[in-house]
Amino acid sequence: QMDLVESGGGVVQPGRSLRLSCVASGSTFSYYGIYWVRQAPGKGLEWAAGISKDGTKQYYGESVKGRFTLSRDNSKNTVYLEINSLGANDTAVYYCAREFWDFTSTDYYYYMDVWGKGTTVTVSS
Amino acid sequence: DIHMTQSPSSLSASVGDKVTITCRASQSIGNYVNWYQHKPGKAPNLLIYGASTLHTGVPSRFSGSGSGTDFTLTINSLQPEDLASYYCQQTFSRVRAFGQGTKVEIK
Repeated sequence: QMDLVESGGGVVQPGRSLRLSCVASGSTFSYYGIYWVRQAPGKGLEWAAGISKDGTKQYYGESVKGRFTLSRDNSKNTVYLEINSLGANDTAVYYCAREFWDFTSTDYYYYMDVWGKGTTVTVSS
Repeated sequence: DIHMTQSPSSLSASVGDKVTITCRASQSIGNYVNWYQHKPGKAPNLLIYGASTLHTGVPSRFSGSGSGTDFTLTINSLQPEDLASYYCQQTFSRVRAFGQGTKVEIK
């Protein structure tokens, strides 16, 4: 069973950058895509970004495109989320999650089955 | 991008009630919908994938249905521990958007 631990959150001034990390243990990390999901105070879950298992493909939600950059180092079992030009609306708990799948006779179904506990980012001057 | 519209945004029900949450996709997405439960201070939990397949360990009072653009999560016989927010998510496209969420309260 895989465990995921996020780190790198904290209080950051507007306009600055921040790098979050998601470290995996307990399973073969390079088999899985990893997603980042965030939740701003009083708001719902927002799917922010995802990276393929080999790191060659990244996907971003519309609200973060151009400011978020995903990368991964499979030798360190780690995914990195770089956030640039931080603004107040980036204040949130950031979760990383593993993408798993089920295969039927005709289709793959993907879902997030393992989640970290989250790291909190607060953007404030 | 595909948008997911969930309703209601909140509901209040009694223990033992049947609760229904709906989710509508902005385009047809087959049955590529997941449902998650999220309790305050905890990580989200997968309930259902593929619109109707119950994830391992999830109580059978949870069920999902739908295809195309309209999807439903049903909680049969609501329990006190079901106090949480519930989210649909589409996996038809690589930008895996969530619905806005439904907060379930116990009367």
